[in-house]
Amino acid sequence: KQEVTQIPAALSVPEGENLVLNCSFTDSAIYNLQWFRQDPGKGLTSLLLIQSSQREQTSGRLNASLDKSSGRSTLYIAASQPGDSATYLCAGSSNTGKLIFGQGTTLQVKP
Amino acid sequence: NAGVTQTPKFRVLKTGQSMTLLCAQDMNHEYMYWYRQDPGMGLRLIHYSVGEGTTAKGEVPDGYNVSRLKKQNFLLGLESAAPSQTSVYFCASSRDRNYGYTFGSGTRLTVV
Repeated sequence: KQEVTQIPAALSVPEGENLVLNCSFTDSAIYNLQWFRQDPGKGLTSLLLIQSSQREQTSGRLNASLDKSSGRSTLYIAASQPGDSATYLCAGSSNTGKLIFGQGTTLQVKP
Repeated sequence: NAGVTQTPKFRVLKTGQSMTLLCAQDMNHEYMYWYRQDPGMGLRLIHYSVGEGTTAKGEVPDGYNVSRLKKQNFLLGLESAAPSQTSVYFCASSRDRNYGYTFGSGTRLTVV
């Protein structure tokens, strides 16, 4: 059974810091890994998708990597801004199509 | 292009009542999902479908039923609502396992 864990559960940093959010999964047969952002009371916004054959993806100040052999993915946020404050969720998909989420990391970036 | 649309957005039910949540997508996606999100529990998969006419159980299927009679619609039914089903429900869809997932804006359900 695939389990996805995110560490830390919460993180508070001053504006401008570079930071790393961690996601680990138990089943290396993971197919894709996707990072989402969720603002309070809102839905999920897709940030980055790393497909099975890829090792990383970049979008602006965000970079996500995937290491299937170690069961880990990281989301790197460069030069953090107060607008980055949100909950970040990672989700891994299996070859059967199931998508399993971690519990998220709540990020606060202080001005 | 609406993406994934969930109706209703809010609903209050009395214990024992039934209701159906509708998820509609206009992207011709094969895969569709229903999740519930509860404080401290994260997003948990209720049921999912990998194509028209197919459904499968997720992590927390008890008390829910689903149907995928048309490719664009995925219905989630509560036959006899219980307070434990108070939650925010999200629907998602994907072209297939190689592609990313698009989420609806959610349905906030309260069972009293």
